[in-house]
Amino acid sequence: AQKVTQAQTEISVVEKEDVTLDCVYETRDTTYYLFWYKQPPSGELVFLIRRNSFDEQNEISGRYSWNFQKSTSSFNFTITASQVVDSAVYFCALSDDYNQGGKLIFGQGTELSVKP
Amino acid sequence: DTGVSQDPRHKITKRGQNVTFRCDPISEHNRLYWYRQTLGQGPEFLTYFQNEAQLEKSRLLSDRFSAERPKGSFSTLEIQRTEQGDSAMYLCASSRQGAHYGYTFGSGTRLTVV
Repeated sequence: AQKVTQAQTEISVVEKEDVTLDCVYETRDTTYYLFWYKQPPSGELVFLIRRNSFDEQNEISGRYSWNFQKSTSSFNFTITASQVVDSAVYFCALSDDYNQGGKLIFGQGTELSVKP
Repeated sequence: DTGVSQDPRHKITKRGQNVTFRCDPISEHNRLYWYRQTLGQGPEFLTYFQNEAQLEKSRLLSDRFSAERPKGSFSTLEIQRTEQGDSAMYLCASSRQGAHYGYTFGSGTRLTVV
C-alpha cells in the first residue's frame, strides 16, 4: 500500500531562519511521482513541485529547494530565509499514475508558522 | 485556462438534508478527482473520473455519496442524509492524464453539518 508520512505536525520559526519539512513515503511501485503543495488559510492547494521516481536530482527554485533520496524514500523540502508569507500548511503527496489511476496520496501535512 | 471552479464555496446544512456540490474542471482535462479534507488532515481520495466514466471509488465513499460527470465535463458530488461527520472541505482536481501532467485543484467547498 502507498503511504506518505510527514512526522512534523507543526513547526514554528522566526523570519529569516531556514526550515526543512520532512516527507517519507512508501510504495512498491518503481514508477511514481512525488509532489509538494502549499495550503494557505484560504484553503486552495497550491502546487509547488512534481518529481518522478527516475529523477533524483535535487531542485532549487528561489528560496525553495527539494532533496529527493530514493535510498531513504524521502522527499524533503527546505525553505531558505523564511518569510511570514510562507506561513501555511504544506503537504507532501505520492501518485502512482499507472496502477492507481493517478490519485494522490497525501501526508497529514506540516503547519509552518513564520513569526516576524 | 480559467482554473478549476467549485460551487458553492461554503454550505451549511442541517443534519439529514441532501447537498450537492459542483466542480467545473479545466476544459481540456479528461480526469477529474474528488477529495475530502477534514480539519488537521491531508486530503483523502474519494473518487475519480476519466471522461464520463467513474473508474474508482474509495471505501470512504459510503452509499450516501454519489458522484457524476455527465458528458465528461463538469461533475457533481451529492451527499444524501448528511451527518455531522460529513463536515469537511470537499476538493476537486482535474488533470490532463494524471500525475505526469500534474493536477489543478479548485478552492474547495466547505460543508458544515449542524
